[in-house]
Amino acid sequence: DGGITQSPKYLFRKEGQNVTLSCEQNLNHDAMYWYRQDPGQGLRLIYYSQIVNDFQKGDIAEGYSVSREKKESFPLTVTSAQKNPTAFYLCATTPGAGAGEAFFGQGTRLTVV
Amino acid sequence: QQQVKQSPQSLIVQKGGISIINCAYENTAFDYFPWYQQFPGKGPALLIAIRPDVSEKKEGRFTISFNKSAKQFSLHIMDSQPGDSATYFCAAENSGGSNYKLTFGKGTLLTVNP
Repeated sequence: DGGITQSPKYLFRKEGQNVTLSCEQNLNHDAMYWYRQDPGQGLRLIYYSQIVNDFQKGDIAEGYSVSREKKESFPLTVTSAQKNPTAFYLCATTPGAGAGEAFFGQGTRLTVV
Repeated sequence: QQQVKQSPQSLIVQKGGISIINCAYENTAFDYFPWYQQFPGKGPALLIAIRPDVSEKKEGRFTISFNKSAKQFSLHIMDSQPGDSATYFCAAENSGGSNYKLTFGKGTLLTVNP
């Protein structure tokens, strides 16, 4: 069953803690993306990676970090430097550069308690 | 800088009516314009997309109208149904760019009343 798996679905974090959100894909897509979704703000790009071992900052990268050691995996770490981390986080993939349709995971809802 | 502006922010339509959502873009290098549909608690899914070589694309009850000179495109949902109630995002992309990424509008929450 091909697709994108994000885990966990819900995540609670204490202030000052780092947390890592998982994104795994078996679509054999080259490019992967992390978006943050807040009410009324749409989808804002955090980081993206077009190939393994390479990634670029998106529009709101401050307080986040990523790695792309494997084609299938693109984990996102929300660090304690992120001042307002409570949000819905979405991982997406595309077959490659300029390849059209983006496929999204089901999202992780992060709440700071 | 908001490169894709979407309106309205929310829309209420009666069952059987026409829903219209509009988007405007600034970057003339954009050459791919998709619309995504998102249900609560789920990830967005591609609904329909258009490239600027055509002015209209229809798939079932969903139609994209594209006006290249005005740098605008819109989604029309004919015979709107309660099951269409969702958030809709327009997006744009420069598929020939070196750093490929979609730029999204802020979304429209559509409610279709029965």
